[in-house]
Order: sequence, then C-alpha cells, then structure tokens
Amino acid sequence: QVHLVESGGGLVKPGGSLRLSCSASGFTFSDYYMTWIRQAPGKGLEWVSYISNSGGETNYADSMKGRFTISRDNAKNSLFLEMNSLRADDTAIYYCARHLTTGAGAWLDSWGQGTLVTVSS
Amino acid sequence: DIQMTQSPSSLSASVGDRVTITCRASQRIVSFLNWYQQKPGKAPNLLIYAASTLQSGVPSRFSGSGSGTDFTLTISSLQPEDFATYYCQQSYSIPITFGQGTRLEIK
Repeated sequence: QVHLVESGGGLVKPGGSLRLSCSASGFTFSDYYMTWIRQAPGKGLEWVSYISNSGGETNYADSMKGRFTISRDNAKNSLFLEMNSLRADDTAIYYCARHLTTGAGAWLDSWGQGTLVTVSS
Repeated sequence: DIQMTQSPSSLSASVGDRVTITCRASQRIVSFLNWYQQKPGKAPNLLIYAASTLQSGVPSRFSGSGSGTDFTLTISSLQPEDFATYYCQQSYSIPITFGQGTRLEIK
C-alpha cells in the first residue's frame, strides 16, 4: 500500500526558508516521478514542482522558480522541497504526490496528508 | 499556460441525482485530463485519468468523457459520501494546471 508522509511545515517569517520532506513507502520509490502540490487556505490546488525518478529532470511553476528546489534521495525513499525567500502568499498546505507519467498523460495517483506552511511575521 | 475552467463552481444536489461537471481547457489537450475528489481536511483523491479511465477502487457511478477542449465528469447516482469538491487537471503541458474546483453540496 502506497504511503506518503510529509513533514517539515511550520511558521516562518517572510524572507525565511523551510525544507519539506516526504517519506515514501509501499512502492519502489526510484521507479516513480514525484510532485509537490500546494493549496492555500480555502483555495484550489496549485502545482509546485515535479522531479523525475532519477532526479535528473525537474520542473517548477514560474512563481517558484529560483526560490524552490525539489530533490530526492532514492536510497532513503525521500522527497524534498527546499523553499527560500518565502512570502505570505506561499502560505499553504503542501502535498507530495506520486506522479505517473505515460503516453496517455500524467496523473497523481497517491497523495500524502499534507504539511502546513505559514509565512507570517 | 493552459487555463482550466470548471462549471459550475458550486452545485446543490440530492442523493440519487445524476450530476455532471464540465471542464474546459483554453487549448486542445487531447485526452490528458484527470479528475480528483477532495473532502474537507483531506488530500485529493484521483477518480479518473486520461479523461475516461476509472482509477482502481473508484465506484463505477463515476465516469469521465471528452477530448480536445471539453470534458465532463458524471456521477450517475449521488451517494452521501460524494459530497465534496471536484477538480480537473491537465497534463498536456507544463505547467500542470487545475480547474478552480466545483463544490458539490447537499440540497
């Protein structure tokens, strides 16, 4: 059974940094792309970033480029999101999700429970 | 960026009703369209991928259709556990984008 558990969220001041982690189990982590999605309070879903199974390919939403860095450690079945220069509008629940990519498209078939990041002075 | 527009934004319906939610893409996305259900305080859950393929474990009352720019999610007979928010998502191009959501409420 696929299990994803995020951690590392919390309260941080504007301009600060935070590192989120996602621990994966129940599947061969190194076979799958992974994605971060966020959801601001009371709002919809926003894609943040994805990383290929090897870590050699990454992509980011424009508003996160240069501030956020996605990475993974396949030996430890872990996904990370390093967030710098945080702003109030980065306040959200951050979800990690398993990202299946095929010739028929890409979808997020398993999600963690999320970790809340609050950016406030 | 491809814009995804869902309609309606909210919907009131009764148990047993047939409900349809529409998602329109701002440009052609073939069948690279997925649907998710999200209940309050929970993570989203994949319902339909590639426009019409039911995810394993999802009840057969859910179905998806469409291609190109126009897509629909249909719930054939609403059950109490179906009252939630539904999102479409395109994977045709980066950035991956979601619709704004459709909140399905009990009438």
